[in-house]
Amino acid sequence: AQSVTQLDSHVSVSEGTPVLLRCNYSSSYSPSLFWYVQHPNKGLQLLLKYTSAATLVKGINGFEAEFKKSETSFHLTKPSAHMSDAAEYFCVVRFTSGTYKYIFGTGTRLKVLA
Amino acid sequence: GAVVSQHPSWVICKSGTSVKIECRSLDFQATTMFWYRQFPKQSLMLMATSNEGSKATYEQGVEKDKFLINHASLTLSTLTVTSAHPEDSSFYICSARDSQGRFSYEQYFGPGTRLTVT
Repeated sequence: AQSVTQLDSHVSVSEGTPVLLRCNYSSSYSPSLFWYVQHPNKGLQLLLKYTSAATLVKGINGFEAEFKKSETSFHLTKPSAHMSDAAEYFCVVRFTSGTYKYIFGTGTRLKVLA
Repeated sequence: GAVVSQHPSWVICKSGTSVKIECRSLDFQATTMFWYRQFPKQSLMLMATSNEGSKATYEQGVEKDKFLINHASLTLSTLTVTSAHPEDSSFYICSARDSQGRFSYEQYFGPGTRLTVT
């Protein structure tokens, strides 16, 4: 069965420093993986997705993620944090057949310090 | 781009009453829509998969008689919370999967509906 594990429930970084949000997945098949961001009291915004093309995926707002099959990881990174990046981030795996439903990780709350 | 709307964006109702939430795909057809619930400071939990013209598939532990889902057209799914109680207060989010390939068969999320039961 597919699942994702977000290794950190909270991450704090200083503005201008790199961001690393960790995600490991479990899947019997080649997975489709996504990162979404949710600002307080807002809906979800897609940051980026991996669907078996390039292993390094570039997304919006300077974020990128690298799919590493050997490590079953899909960590989200950004070279330089901005105050506006403070939000909840969700790693998501999609079922590869049937209903194509999504399974969400537990989320990582990113705090950016001035 | 692909847009999914939800109505209402927030609703307050009294305990014991029923509330209907609409989810619409505005510029694509969706034979499959999904309903999620998100409690404060928690992740999204899939409640059910809504299939156009057929019965919804509920996740384990979700009461189908309490959360009625109707997917009557290719662009509209509704979630009715029946006999709502304070513990049903939550953020309900829907998503719709592009069934025509107009937007790469991907799934798109609505902005959510905040339900408060008093």
